[in-house]
Amino acid sequence: QTVVTQEPSFSVSPGGTVTLSCGLSSGSVSTSYYPSWYQQTPGQAPRTLIYSTSTRSAGVPDRFSGSILGDKAALTITGAQAHDESDYYCVLYMGSGVWVFGGGTKLTVL
Amino acid sequence: EVQLLESGGDLVQPGGSLRLSCAASGFIFSSYAMSWVRQAPGKGLEWVSAITGSGGSTYYADSVKGRFTISRDNSKNTLNLQMNSVRAEDTAIYYCAKNVGAIIAAPDYWGQGTLVTVSS
Repeated sequence: QTVVTQEPSFSVSPGGTVTLSCGLSSGSVSTSYYPSWYQQTPGQAPRTLIYSTSTRSAGVPDRFSGSILGDKAALTITGAQAHDESDYYCVLYMGSGVWVFGGGTKLTVL
Repeated sequence: EVQLLESGGDLVQPGGSLRLSCAASGFIFSSYAMSWVRQAPGKGLEWVSAITGSGGSTYYADSVKGRFTISRDNSKNTLNLQMNSVRAEDTAIYYCAKNVGAIIAAPDYWGQGTLVTVSS
């Protein structure tokens, strides 16, 4: 079974730029996987940031952007702020109506 | 404003059944696919199931296939998840989510979740 991979943790300095990745245990991620990205803080429901690779969800600031970099989907956060400290999840479409989430990346802003 | 309100979460014994519901408002319900996503305590998100806007097609994660049934009532703007033969590993917060489109689409808007605990 294909696993969706994410960095377990990442850190960024305030005001800095960070790129989180979303890959496959076997194969490359393309736009055909419709990668989407979610932000979740403890005790809260997820918040959608990006869907279909690079479309920002309503109300999401343009500091957040999605793309394909090499063989992975990527979420780039520019001008990192303290309240960006959260867990970030990607999800990929595997076909036949099935989606699989990555394990999530815990982002620290310090 | 899109609103999703889950209900039905409870303590249930292993092997038992439970029915979750999600009341939707603020959008044309029948025009969007809907999903259930769960999160076990201290763990990541897990996609569980999805249903197309018409209700004509349903999809399941292997972990719940044959035990869970997703359905919707477009006349009542309600999404359901019938959970049978539940196991300890089904313990999680279950989120109802509106998808971006009518068919193949990722979750977009999320409810606040309902807690299901499977324990004897």
